[in-house]
Amino acid sequence: DTAVSQTPKYLVTQMGNDKSIKCEQNLGHDTMYWYKQDSKKFLKIMFSYNNKELIINETVPNRFSPKSPDKAHLNLHINSLELGDSAVYFCASSRGGTESQETQYFGPGTRLLVL
Amino acid sequence: RKEVEQDPGPFNVPEGATVAFNCTYSNSASQSFFWYRQDCRKEPKLLMSVYSSGNEDGRFTAQLNRASQYISLLIRDSKLSDSATYLCVVSGSARQLTFGSGTQLTVLP
Repeated sequence: DTAVSQTPKYLVTQMGNDKSIKCEQNLGHDTMYWYKQDSKKFLKIMFSYNNKELIINETVPNRFSPKSPDKAHLNLHINSLELGDSAVYFCASSRGGTESQETQYFGPGTRLLVL
Repeated sequence: RKEVEQDPGPFNVPEGATVAFNCTYSNSASQSFFWYRQDCRKEPKLLMSVYSSGNEDGRFTAQLNRASQYISLLIRDSKLSDSATYLCVVSGSARQLTFGSGTQLTVLP
């Protein structure tokens, strides 16, 4: 069983379109994250939710909107896609405790290409 | 200055070699330190946490020097399966990880 799953795995779309990426974790974790990995392989946090509440919101264009219907799901909706949005988007989850040594578990990634 | 800096490599080493990666971080308030491994076109996975006293897991040894804000990873007797990108990761709080850009390792037969 996949612990953190994302759909779709690949997404090719035109500039200006709106698209969503879904993420689900079956680990019983309280905290979920979205990361973006660009062409230079830098992995950067975008958002984090703890028990459906937004706790980290990095400097991300407001075209990106996360939605957490329950603590096992964190979806990412992107409006008006731009060429620079092309990247790999990783979802992750962690137990959500206060220990700073907590491990984050990543999904397989969604490869987004905007044409 | 980047928050977490790593030599991007690539490091190309023969099987059985010992290889060391270094990483520096800029935030002296950082609390936790990790090495993650990312295979080509795959997700990052935790390799090991890094403790102040240094720690070892089989062929892998991690060291932390808080005074110099420096983290290292040593891989002994490298295997072909060790080929991957190694990500230095620093955390200032329970939920915010800052990743380095990674060091690429290729172990050659």
